[in-house]
Amino acid sequence: LQLHESGPGLVKPSETLSLTCTVSGFSITTTNYYWAWIRQPPGKGLEWIGNIYFTGSSYYSPSLESRLTISVDTSKSQFSLRLTSVTAADTAIYYCARTPSNGDPNWYFDLWGRGTLVRVSS
Amino acid sequence: QSVLTQPPSVSGAPGQRVTISCLGSSSNVGAGYDVHWYQHLPGAAPKLLIYGNTHRPSGVPDRFSASKSGTSASLAITGLRGEDEADYYCQSYDITLSDSVFGGGTKLTVL
Repeated sequence: LQLHESGPGLVKPSETLSLTCTVSGFSITTTNYYWAWIRQPPGKGLEWIGNIYFTGSSYYSPSLESRLTISVDTSKSQFSLRLTSVTAADTAIYYCARTPSNGDPNWYFDLWGRGTLVRVSS
Repeated sequence: QSVLTQPPSVSGAPGQRVTISCLGSSSNVGAGYDVHWYQHLPGAAPKLLIYGNTHRPSGVPDRFSASKSGTSASLAITGLRGEDEADYYCQSYDITLSDSVFGGGTKLTVL
C-alpha cells in the first residue's frame, strides 16, 4: 500500500489550496476504511483536517470546516483536499493517511504518505 | 496550546527505558476515547506505534508499549536504541471540540 500526495507547493494568500492523494496497492472502496488529511505547520505539531469514506461521507475539523472540502474519486483511486481563502497560517506539510474506522470517532491513522509541503506566500 | 499535553522532550541512554506522558481531560481521554501513538522522523511519513490505547500493529517491536488511566496515557520504550530518536505524538478524540486531537509532540533524544 502506498499513499502519495501531489499538488502545488506554493499558493498565494486568499487563493485555494488543492491537493490530491493517490492510493495504490489497496482498494479505496474497501469497507471500514476512511481516508484522511492531516497537516503539520513548520515547527508545530500534527493537526487533523478531515476524513472521507468512499461513499463521500465525511468528517471535518470544526476549525477548518467553513473553508474545507474533501472529495473522493474512486475511479482514479484518489481523494482530494480543497481549502479556500488560505493565509500564511495554512503553510504546512500536508499528509494523507488511511483510517480504519466504522465511523466511530476512535479513529487512528495506520498508514501515511510522505507528505507535501505547501507554502502560502505572495 | 495542544488539547493533549506532552513533555517537549525526553532523553535516555541506549538500553534504558523512557516514558512519554499524554495528559488529556474529561472531554477526550477521560471520556473513554482511545489514545493512539505515532513515531515521526523528520522527512519521513509518521508511523503508527500503538492504537486503541495498548495495541501494537504488526511489525512494531514489543519494546514499545502503552497504557491509559483516567485522563492520561503513556508510551514506554524499553531497550532504547539510536534509531528510536524521533518525535512522538499521542492522539485522541475530543467530544467537546468534535475534533480529533494530537498532543504537541515529544522529541526523544538517545544520548
